[in-house]
Amino acid sequence: KNEVEQSPQNLTAQEGEFITINCSYSVGISALHWLQQHPGGGIVSLFMLSSGKKKHGRLIATINIQEKHSSLHITASHPRDSAVYICAVSAGTASKLTFGTGTRLQVTL
Amino acid sequence: EAGVTQSPTHLIKTRGQQVTLRCSPISGHTSVYWYQQALGLGLQFLLWYDEGEERNRGNFPPRFSGRQFPNYSSELNVNALELEDSALYLCASSLTRNTEAFFGQGTRLTVV
Repeated sequence: KNEVEQSPQNLTAQEGEFITINCSYSVGISALHWLQQHPGGGIVSLFMLSSGKKKHGRLIATINIQEKHSSLHITASHPRDSAVYICAVSAGTASKLTFGTGTRLQVTL
Repeated sequence: EAGVTQSPTHLIKTRGQQVTLRCSPISGHTSVYWYQQALGLGLQFLLWYDEGEERNRGNFPPRFSGRQFPNYSSELNVNALELEDSALYLCASSLTRNTEAFFGQGTRLTVV
């Protein structure tokens, strides 16, 4: 069992839909990261969370430390949101990130 | 302000050769991380440098090595390249350990 599990693996949505991507982890963490990877490989850090909720534009990330679960929400989705979304956790003082396998999102017109 | 920059962006090498990849962190960031994303696989942690020292390494053979320079830039060296080393190599930097990491665009290495 992977330390970081994401669901769904693939997601297709129509423009305007509300999207939720889930991440569960099995280890104690110091922080959880949501990353976006576009075709071509470049990665953008969307959020870093250790508790509660963060919002940036149409993106919202929440984390429940007790349940070891985080969600990434996209409101009013747009085709430019099409990308792979990756959840990653950092634990203790190691600082290295352990990654989920990613959720491939495609938003169609 | 410049982000994390990696060079080269693409590289083709022959099996058995050696390769050096370079990473310049965001100004002021002292921690640099290297990750490998092989085709069809998720991101795997390779190496972490902080203040010029190797602080942690992932489950990779010793032919993967690197260093961090006094200006906090970093190199990743891979010796005796194998076909399965073909991957996207990503560098990230953070201000200190456990602060938000910012990623470069990656170096795509193809071993033939």
